[in-house]
Amino acid sequence: DTEVTQTPKHLVMGMTNKKSLKCEQHMGHRAMYWYKQKAKKPPELMFVYSYEKLSINESVPSRFSPECPNSSLLNLHLHALQPEDSALYLCASSQPPLTSGRSTDTQYFGPGTRLTVL
Amino acid sequence: KQEVTQIPAALSVPEGENLVLNCSFTDSAIYNLQWFRQDPGKGLTSLLLIQSSQREQTSGRLNASLDKSSGRSTLYIAASQPGDSATYLCAVASGTYKYIFGTGTRLKVLA
Repeated sequence: DTEVTQTPKHLVMGMTNKKSLKCEQHMGHRAMYWYKQKAKKPPELMFVYSYEKLSINESVPSRFSPECPNSSLLNLHLHALQPEDSALYLCASSQPPLTSGRSTDTQYFGPGTRLTVL
Repeated sequence: KQEVTQIPAALSVPEGENLVLNCSFTDSAIYNLQWFRQDPGKGLTSLLLIQSSQREQTSGRLNASLDKSSGRSTLYIAASQPGDSATYLCAVASGTYKYIFGTGTRLKVLA
């Protein structure tokens, strides 16, 4: 099974709402990623978790709060978003390198959550 | 700062043509390079991954090459089909987990 699932598929929220995006994989991958993709633009890395610990935060505003409760699950908590945060949010997973300083293996992406902030 | 550029930005070809998509990156100190396809409004599907020590990878009608010293990778698609229509993205691993995506090539294969 090489599937990464994301829920919900679509989300519309107001600027005062609190919502969460969910990502799940059962490939045994210990690295999980959040990307943001605006229309007709490439994905931009937001966060990386490795072995359930936050490894990378690409200076993302605090209104985005990631969480990795276990090795299969990744959440993105949203609060007080702005209309410019409307985008496709993609989750990905991969196997971390066996030794430090090496690259990861293939990244597998979920279908994304289309977020609209009103 | 790593910058990744893809040329052309868009391409329209008749079915059956062989075609080449280009990816350029500014910093040759990369860990690996991946090619993905993305259908409109969907997630990304991995096509090929080339480690920094490799020169090329093949999968079916796809062949990707990597020339780290010149900062270039090409994706060759043989005998293109309408089902190949999608946006193709290259992504460079400039750190263990840090992937920088290229600007993408929108491909349309006409039946």
